[in-house]
Order: sequence, then C-alpha cells, then structure tokens
Amino acid sequence: ELKVEQNPLFLSMQEGKNYTIYCNYSTTSDRLYWYRQDPGKSLESLFVLLSNGAVKQEGRLMASLDTKARLSTLHITAAVHDLSATYFCAVDPIAGTASKLTFGTGTRLQVTL
Amino acid sequence: SQTIHQWPATLVQPVGSPLSLECTVEGTSNPNLYWYRQAAGRGLQLLFYSVGIGQISSEVPQNLSASRPQDRQFILSSKKLLLSDSGFYLCAWSPRKNTGELFFGEGSRLTVL
Repeated sequence: ELKVEQNPLFLSMQEGKNYTIYCNYSTTSDRLYWYRQDPGKSLESLFVLLSNGAVKQEGRLMASLDTKARLSTLHITAAVHDLSATYFCAVDPIAGTASKLTFGTGTRLQVTL
Repeated sequence: SQTIHQWPATLVQPVGSPLSLECTVEGTSNPNLYWYRQAAGRGLQLLFYSVGIGQISSEVPQNLSASRPQDRQFILSSKKLLLSDSGFYLCAWSPRKNTGELFFGEGSRLTVL
C-alpha cells in the first residue's frame, strides 16, 4: 500500500522567513503533485512534477522531486500572509488510464505578521 | 475553458436518509471523473473513479455508490446514510492520457446527524 507522509503537519512562520515542507512516499513513482487548500474550500493545483530532478517555481513557492529518494520538497521563500493554507502532496504510483492519486496528510501553514 | 460544478454545496441529512451528490464537467469530452472524501482535518481518500459512461471503479468498500449516466456527469449516492459518511466530498476530473493532474470542484459538505 502506498503511503505518503508530509512533515511538518503544522507550521507557523513569520512573514519574510524561509521554510521547506517535505513529502516522502513509499513506492516508486515519478508523478507527484502539490495542491493548496484554503479553509472550507476545494483544492487548487500548484505544481505537477513528472520526472526525477524536476523543479517548478511559482512566485514564492518552489517544488522539486527526487524520485530516487522518494522525496519532494515545497520551499517557501520570504513567506507572506497570503500563503497561509494547507498544502497537500499527492502521488500517482502507476501511469495508467486514470489518475489514482494518494494524498499526504497535509501541512497546515500559518504565516504570522 | 473547462469547468467543474458540484451540488449541493452543503447539506445536513439524518441517519438512514438517502444521498445524491451531482457533479458535471463542461468544456471537455471523455474526461476521467473521480469522487474523493475528506474527513474533518484529514487528507483525501479516493472513493470512486470512472474512465467512461457506466464504468465505475470503487476504491474502498463503503456505504456509497457512484454512477456515470452521461459522459460529463458523475453522481455519488447512498440509500441509507451513516454518521461516518459525514465529510467534505470533492469531485474531480482529468483529461485522458495527460499529466495525471486532477482539477477539483468546489466540494459538497455533508453532515449526517
């Protein structure tokens, strides 16, 4: 059974600081996704990582994938309050007809002034 | 552009009552469709997915069923709700043969009393 673990589960950080969220998964895969969820809302796609060494950046967020280590990171640079949300990574273990994503438990990010 | 809609957005149902959640996708054809559930403060669990009309795959045994009567319509049902069916239900779609990225609807929050 595929397991996807994120840490930390909760992160409180000050505006302007940098931090990294980690996503480990238990089986071979080169398809990893990051999503954002605001309280009470649905999920918004942030990044799609499809190969070893893939790196994607959008604004203050940068995601990377190391398939050999089965690890993805989401790095936050100079955090701002608007980044407060819960962030999920998800893994698709098999590149089949359907995308059967297994999600991590989520990291709740709180950026304080 | 493609859009996905779910309804109702919120519902409160008594134990033992039936359930019907509906999801439709616009602006694309032959999408893969998915139902996920998110229990309070937790990650997402894949319930059902469909790669075509009338084709339903169930991921976990439960009190729910799904149907796909039309290409862009996906319905989640129950004949008799249990307390444990409470949660945030999210419909999602993905194009065939793509990156595997899922696009989520707005969600339906179900409370069973």
